[in-house]
Amino acid sequence: EVLLVESGGGLVQPGGSLRLSCAASGFTFSNYNMNWVRQAPGKGLEWISYISGRSSSIYYADSVKGRFTISRDNANNSLFLQMNSLRAEDTAVYYCARVFTGGYDYWGQGTLVTVSS
Amino acid sequence: DVQMTQSPSSVSASVGDRVTITCRASQGISSWLAWYQQKPGKAPKLLIYAASSLQSGVPSRFSGTGSGTDFTLTISSLQPEDFATYYCQKANGFPWTFGQGTKVEIK
Repeated sequence: EVLLVESGGGLVQPGGSLRLSCAASGFTFSNYNMNWVRQAPGKGLEWISYISGRSSSIYYADSVKGRFTISRDNANNSLFLQMNSLRAEDTAVYYCARVFTGGYDYWGQGTLVTVSS
Repeated sequence: DVQMTQSPSSVSASVGDRVTITCRASQGISSWLAWYQQKPGKAPKLLIYAASSLQSGVPSRFSGTGSGTDFTLTISSLQPEDFATYYCQKANGFPWTFGQGTKVEIK
């Protein structure tokens, strides 16, 4: 069974940092490209970052470029999102998602990040 | 960047109704379009990929059509479990932008 489990969310002050993790199981992690998607409270979905299976290609949304860093550890089946210089508008549920042919076929349950003083 | 615009933003329908949601891309994206269903407090679920391919396990009452800039998600006979928010997403070139969502509500 494919499982994606996010962790690392919480309350952080503006300007602070957090590192999100996504533990993958049930599939050959290194064979799949992965993404982070977020959803602010009561709002729609926002793609924020992509990383290819071997980490050779990485992309970011303009809203997080220069502040967030995506990475992965294929030996430990884990995906990460390092978030620095956090702002109130980064408050959201953050999902990791596996790339399928033209879509995301598996999603984690999400982890809530709240940026507030 | 390519913008994705869904319409309507919300729709009220009854069980058994046929429901159609439209997604328009600001530039052509061939058939690189996915549709998702999201229920409150849950992660999105992939329904359709490549504009018209039904994801495994998704009921056949869901269907997708379109290519280029105009796409449609149709629910042929709305069931109680289909009341949710639906999103389209372009799936080629970055960013993989989502539409703003369409909420399907009970009439």
